[in-house]
Amino acid sequence: QVQLVESGGGLVKPGGSLRLTCEASGFTLSDYSMSWIRQSPGKGLEWVAYIGFGGISTYYGDFVKGRFTISRDAAKNSVSLQMNGLRVDDTAVYYCARDRKRHAPSDWFDPWGQGTPVSVSS
Amino acid sequence: EIVLTQSPATLSLSPGDRATLSCRASQSISSDLAWYQQKPGQSPRLLIYDASNRAAGIPARFSGSGSGTDFTLTISSLEPEDFAVYYCQQRYNWLTFGGGTKVEIK
Repeated sequence: QVQLVESGGGLVKPGGSLRLTCEASGFTLSDYSMSWIRQSPGKGLEWVAYIGFGGISTYYGDFVKGRFTISRDAAKNSVSLQMNGLRVDDTAVYYCARDRKRHAPSDWFDPWGQGTPVSVSS
Repeated sequence: EIVLTQSPATLSLSPGDRATLSCRASQSISSDLAWYQQKPGQSPRLLIYDASNRAAGIPARFSGSGSGTDFTLTISSLEPEDFAVYYCQQRYNWLTFGGGTKVEIK
């Protein structure tokens, strides 16, 4: 069964850091492009970061501005999002999502994990 | 940035009704549009990609149409489990999502 499970969310002060991890089961994560997408009441769904199935290409939403880094660990079949310099407006539920197609990015997301909440507050 | 505007914000219908949801792009995006369904407490689920292709396991009552700037998701006959929020997403220029349409029970 294909499944994505996120972890690492929590409460952090402005300027702090968090590392989110998404563990995959039922498929080989390195065969697929992966993204992090966040959802907040104020901004809705926002694409955050992307890593290609080869692990070489990475892309980020404009608002990231060098603060976040996406990476993958083939041995653990996981993808991570290191978030530094967190701001109040980064508060959201963060989802990892797999590309629909194997070995060829389609930029359609299927499936998604259950999400991990991140709250940035003093 | 390509802005996707979904309408209406809320659609109040009864089981068995036909639902028609709209997504309008701020510029032409060819057929680079997908639709997702999100139920309370759950993550989004892919329904339609490339504007009109149903994802695996999606019932035939869901259909997508459109190209360019105007797109439609149609649910031919609403089942109780279809009451949810629906989002569109484009991939033509980076990746952006619409604000969602909530389909609620009338």
